[in-house]
Amino acid sequence: AQSVTQPDIHITVSEGASLELRCNYSYGATPYLFWYVQSPGQGLQLLLKYFSGDTLVQGIKGFEAEFKRSQSSFNLRKPSVHWSDAAEYFCAVENNAGNMLTFGGGTRLMVKP
Amino acid sequence: DAGITQSPRHKVTETGTPVTLRCHQTENHRYMYWYRQDPGHGLRLIHYSYGVKDTDKGEVSDGYSVSRSKTEDFLLTLESATSSQTSVYFCAIKGAPPYNEQFFGPGTRLTVL
Repeated sequence: AQSVTQPDIHITVSEGASLELRCNYSYGATPYLFWYVQSPGQGLQLLLKYFSGDTLVQGIKGFEAEFKRSQSSFNLRKPSVHWSDAAEYFCAVENNAGNMLTFGGGTRLMVKP
Repeated sequence: DAGITQSPRHKVTETGTPVTLRCHQTENHRYMYWYRQDPGHGLRLIHYSYGVKDTDKGEVSDGYSVSRSKTEDFLLTLESATSSQTSVYFCAIKGAPPYNEQFFGPGTRLTVL
């Protein structure tokens, strides 16, 4: 069975600083990987996804993620964080049948002014 | 906007009472999902449906049942609510190719006293 680990429960960065959120997955085949963001009291919004091809994928709101098969990682990055990026971020992997997602525990991002 | 609504949005109930949550979609998607969200656990799949009357269990299905008698509606029932089922419940649909990601509803906050 697949699993996803987000090692950092909380991260605080200053506005304008760069950001990297870590995601490690365990999956036997080529994974389909996703990053979602959840603002307080809201549902989840897709930031980006990786299915195949270029290992660096661009998403919405200036986010990008890099798939590294050798490290079983799919880390999310942003070069300059804005106060509105404060939210909880979830990494997820889809199973081979394409009918289920497994989520990591989430990373809560706080942004200092 | 994926056209997903959940009702009720908030509910407080007592231990031992039955509770039904409703998920409604307007876009005729085949796959629908119920998740629960708890701190530190991310989202965990309860049940999912791959068509009318076709459902299957997820990771945390004990104490929950589902029904799908129409394409647009997916019901989650707690036959006898327990305090451990206090959570935020999210419904999701899976988009049609090439948009294979899941889209989430706004959530239902359930408190079992």
